[in-house]
Amino acid sequence: AQSVTQLDSQVPVFEEAPVELRCNYSSSVSVYLFWYVQYPNQGLQLLLKYLSGSTLVKGINGFEAEFNKSQTSFHLRKPSVHISDTAEYFCAVSDRNFNKFYFGSGTKLNVKP
Amino acid sequence: NAGVTQTPKFRILKIGQSMTLQCTQDMNHNYMYWYRQDPGMGLKLIYYSVGAGITDKGEVPNGYNVSRSTTEDFPLRLELAAPSQTSVYFCASSYQQGDTEAFFGQGTRLTVV
Repeated sequence: AQSVTQLDSQVPVFEEAPVELRCNYSSSVSVYLFWYVQYPNQGLQLLLKYLSGSTLVKGINGFEAEFNKSQTSFHLRKPSVHISDTAEYFCAVSDRNFNKFYFGSGTKLNVKP
Repeated sequence: NAGVTQTPKFRILKIGQSMTLQCTQDMNHNYMYWYRQDPGMGLKLIYYSVGAGITDKGEVPNGYNVSRSTTEDFPLRLELAAPSQTSVYFCASSYQQGDTEAFFGQGTRLTVV
C-alpha cells in the first residue's frame, strides 16, 4: 500500500516570498504523483502531476514540483506567492497498477500581505 | 460540461437516520470514487468503482454502501447515521487507470446530531 506524508500542516508566508510545501511518499511500486489545491468551500482541482520523464514539472498558477526518487519526495514550490494562493494543498499518489489515489493530510498555505 | 455534480450540498441528519448522497458525472469516466475529508486528516477513500456494476472498498468503508448501475451515477448510502460520519464528502471521477487526474465535485457537508 501507499502512504503520503505532508510534513507541514500550516505554512504562513508573506506575499511575494517563495514557498515550499513538502511531500514524502512510501510505496513498494512505481507511482504517479499529483498536487491538488482546494480553495475554501470548494472541491479539489489539479495543480500538476508527475507521470514520467523530467523530474521537474510545472503546473498552473506558477507552481512547480520536483520528483526525487531517492528521497521519495515530491515537494511543491512557487518563487513568489500571491494572496490568491491562500488555500489548502494536497499531495497524492496513484498506484500504477490500480487506479486508487492516496492523499496526504494537507498543508494550509496562508499568504499574508 | 457540468463535470462531477454532488447533491445535496449540506445536510443535517439525526442519529440512526439514513440518506443517499448523489453523485453524477458527464465525462464518460469509468472510474469513480467517494472520499471523506476530516480536518487535519486529508481525504480517505470510502469506496471506488472501476466501471458500471463493479465496486470495491477503500480505506474506510464501514457504515457506507455504494452501487454503480450506470457509468454516470455513483450514489453513496448511509444506512444508520452516526456522529462519527460527520464529515465533508467528495465524489470524484477519472478517465482511466493511474496516470490521469481525478475530477472532484463540490462536496457535501454532512452533520449527524
